[in-house]
Amino acid sequence: NAGVTQTPKFQVLKTGQSMTLQCAQDMNHEYMSWYRQDPGMGLRLIHYSVGAGITDQGEVPNGYNVSRSTTEDFPLRLLSAAPSQTSVYFCASSYLGLAYDNEQFFGPGTRLTVL
Amino acid sequence: AQSVAQPEDQVNVAEGNPLTVKCTYSVSGNPYLFWYVQYPNRGLQFLLKYITGDNLVKGSYGFEAEFNKSQTSFHLKKPSALVSDSALYFCAVRVFSGGYNKLIFGAGTRLAVHP
Repeated sequence: NAGVTQTPKFQVLKTGQSMTLQCAQDMNHEYMSWYRQDPGMGLRLIHYSVGAGITDQGEVPNGYNVSRSTTEDFPLRLLSAAPSQTSVYFCASSYLGLAYDNEQFFGPGTRLTVL
Repeated sequence: AQSVAQPEDQVNVAEGNPLTVKCTYSVSGNPYLFWYVQYPNRGLQFLLKYITGDNLVKGSYGFEAEFNKSQTSFHLKKPSALVSDSALYFCAVRVFSGGYNKLIFGAGTRLAVHP
């Protein structure tokens, strides 16, 4: 299993540009999520999905869109990049179920810089 | 509000000495608690979890954590630190909000083990 994969690993954007961060998992996990990691702030949840066709907002959703057309893929879209979106982005997945421990599996991250 | 606090930005330990990384939480109901580790330029990796049962939980790489309900704490411990343990450690709590489970992370504690 490849686990959780993310592309690209690094990206530099200019203010106002758009882009999509890709995330895929091959573990048949229902739950997928996007976090951003900023120094001194830990990880903050941007959006999450509990299955194909179902998404919802996390703590910091503004400026980001997501969709979940398949179980495997969960892309994150920045429609108009801003310098405040400079961060490291992690995608994670897990099994869904209240009875489970929901250990999350994380991708290697995408380091995004917005100039 | 439900939250997790890691009061130390950095912990310095000499190799061979015991280490403790502190975590306190504030949640309603019974907490589901996790520790994750992040090595440089990598995604987070699961270390251990507390769901129910024994207050002392054993995890990967010789780490353990002690759940203390009266002090609302879940400190990470290891009897003898290794230089290779140097990394960023995150405490997290699972909360049930909006109909689904989500993880709330602490800000992280950087562990530096010196030879």
